[in-house]
Amino acid sequence: EPEVTQTPSHQVTQMGQEVILRCVPISNHLYFYWYRQILGQKVEFLVSFYNNEISEKSEIFDDQFSVERPDGSNFTLKIRSTKLEDSAMYFCASSEVSRNQPQHFGDGTRLSIL
Amino acid sequence: GESVGLHLPTLSVQEGDNSIINCAYSNSASDYFIWYKQESGKGPQFIIDIRSNMDKRQGQRVTVLLNKTVKHLSLQIAATQPGDSAVYFCAENLGNNNDMRFGAGTRLTVKP
Repeated sequence: EPEVTQTPSHQVTQMGQEVILRCVPISNHLYFYWYRQILGQKVEFLVSFYNNEISEKSEIFDDQFSVERPDGSNFTLKIRSTKLEDSAMYFCASSEVSRNQPQHFGDGTRLSIL
Repeated sequence: GESVGLHLPTLSVQEGDNSIINCAYSNSASDYFIWYKQESGKGPQFIIDIRSNMDKRQGQRVTVLLNKTVKHLSLQIAATQPGDSAVYFCAENLGNNNDMRFGAGTRLTVKP
């Protein structure tokens, strides 16, 4: 069964540094998402992406964050000037052709800011 | 009910019993709902979805019930197995975009 893959599984970064989290969505999916889950808390929506542009973003997704689809398979989340409170699991998800379709998640990248 | 931090609502059942996990959603305009299962160290795994024009949908060993009057969603798992132990999240689409908003989750523990 096709799946969303994320790399790396664990990223450790010094505070203030930039980090890029990578995702390969399911190949025939057109909608892509990033979510964040702080340890022990619920999954929080960050951003959705369709047709090479952001379609929705939450209040968490401020100027520190950006997303990009640099080629036909990868979808990245860049976090600039990382802060301690950015430490969390970051999940990528994708869905097929339109809204109200199941979103399929990767296993996440654990980001630890020191 | 809602939970904060590490204090998730928990449900403990005996293997073979049926489980019912409940969720109150926030927005009366939400028109699409998903139940996800999350095992330790893994991403949310899709279980079943339901649209607002339905009040019940069945899958393999799982049933989702939607009560729009009271904004309540439930997940029923038949003949619960140890492999069903996980945190279960409901998620709603708020009706005007693609993003899903997750509930706080319920931890299901299945005792052998």
